[in-house]
Amino acid sequence: AQRVTQPEKLLSVFKGAPVELKCNYSYSGSPELFWYVQYSRQRLQLLLRHISRESIKGFTADLNKGETSFHLKKPFAQEEDSAMYYCALFPKARGAQKLVFGQGTRLTINP
Amino acid sequence: DGGITQSPKYLFRKEGQNVTLSCEQNLNHDAMYWYRQDPGQGLRLIYYSQIVNDFQKGDIAEGYSVSREKKESFPLTVTSAQKNPTAFYLCASGDRGRLQYFGAGTRLSVL
Repeated sequence: AQRVTQPEKLLSVFKGAPVELKCNYSYSGSPELFWYVQYSRQRLQLLLRHISRESIKGFTADLNKGETSFHLKKPFAQEEDSAMYYCALFPKARGAQKLVFGQGTRLTINP
Repeated sequence: DGGITQSPKYLFRKEGQNVTLSCEQNLNHDAMYWYRQDPGQGLRLIYYSQIVNDFQKGDIAEGYSVSREKKESFPLTVTSAQKNPTAFYLCASGDRGRLQYFGAGTRLSVL
């Protein structure tokens, strides 16, 4: 069975410090991985996906198949990064129909 | 705003009452999803539908029911059998499950 684990429910860092939100997954095949973000009073929305290999709002995430991880990183945190972050996995199996979400990490950036 | 509309924003349920949450999308997506969001538990899938007139149970379907009579609409009924309905409910639609677009949510409370 597929599983996504975000070991930190809460993460607090100071503005300007580096940020890393951890995401580990278990899946026997080759998954697609995503990070979704929910800012205060806003809808849950896609932040980035691993196949795009892009940087969004200064965030990057690299898929490490050896460690089965997809950690989200930003070198210098900003106050507007405070939000709830979810890591999600989509199995690349035939007939796969749904995302598997982690439990989420609430990130707080202190001024 | 647009794309996925959930209503109402707030809903109150009396004991023994069934209530229905509305979800409408104009993105022409085949797939639609219902999630429940509780603090510390992340997103849990209730029901999903890949096509009109068909739907599948998610991880926590007990006490809920859905219908998918139209492509645009995927209402969720919280029945009296759901003993702990207080939560934030999110509807999403998507492209073959990979990318999902979320509504603004409905907060359900018990009177």
